[in-house]
Amino acid sequence: GAGVSQTPSNKVTEKGKYVELRCDPISGHTALYWYRQSLGQGPEFLIYFQGTGAADDSGLPNDRFFAVRPEGSVSTLKIQRTERGDSAVYLCASSFQRSSETQYFGPGTRLLVL
Amino acid sequence: KQEVTQIPAALSVPEGENLVLNCSFTDSAIYNLQWFRQDPGKGLTSLLLIQSSQREQTSGRLNASLDKSSGRSTLYIAASQPGDSATYLCAVLTYKYIFGTGTRLKVLA
Repeated sequence: GAGVSQTPSNKVTEKGKYVELRCDPISGHTALYWYRQSLGQGPEFLIYFQGTGAADDSGLPNDRFFAVRPEGSVSTLKIQRTERGDSAVYLCASSFQRSSETQYFGPGTRLLVL
Repeated sequence: KQEVTQIPAALSVPEGENLVLNCSFTDSAIYNLQWFRQDPGKGLTSLLLIQSSQREQTSGRLNASLDKSSGRSTLYIAASQPGDSATYLCAVLTYKYIFGTGTRLKVLA
């Protein structure tokens, strides 16, 4: 079956603009995760959804970052007033039900803020 | 707080060598440990996953071991090839994955 998909694959924007990144999890997976990978680093956790609700958003760096999952499937990560430091690869992952289960990663969205 | 460390940060070896990549973690309360490969500009490719109750997993030329009590995992690559050149990341699952910073491997032809 289809894996986790993310769109766009690449996004270039200007400092101060608003961006939205989309994640389509594996069908039937109730848990969804966002991670951010800066150059030369391992991915870092941003937020975890169980169904429609954010179970843990402790990794979001500041209030410019927000994520939603209104129907419990597709999720959108929203970044307001982008800064050059937001440039990174944003990875999405999903797991079947519980947070103790293996996560399957999407290909990522490469965000470049000029 | 769970921390994951990978040593070495970079490694360059001639083709054909057997090599070992190391991963250590500070908290043994994990559900599983996973090794990933990442090529430049690409996403994560899962190589091996070891559940917390397991000691090792093998796939082809790759073998990964897990010792929860000592907080260590190793990834063994046999008969390395230039195509193995990539960054290798280990990650431990609590309710979220905690990643190391990776080992950049270069296999010279």
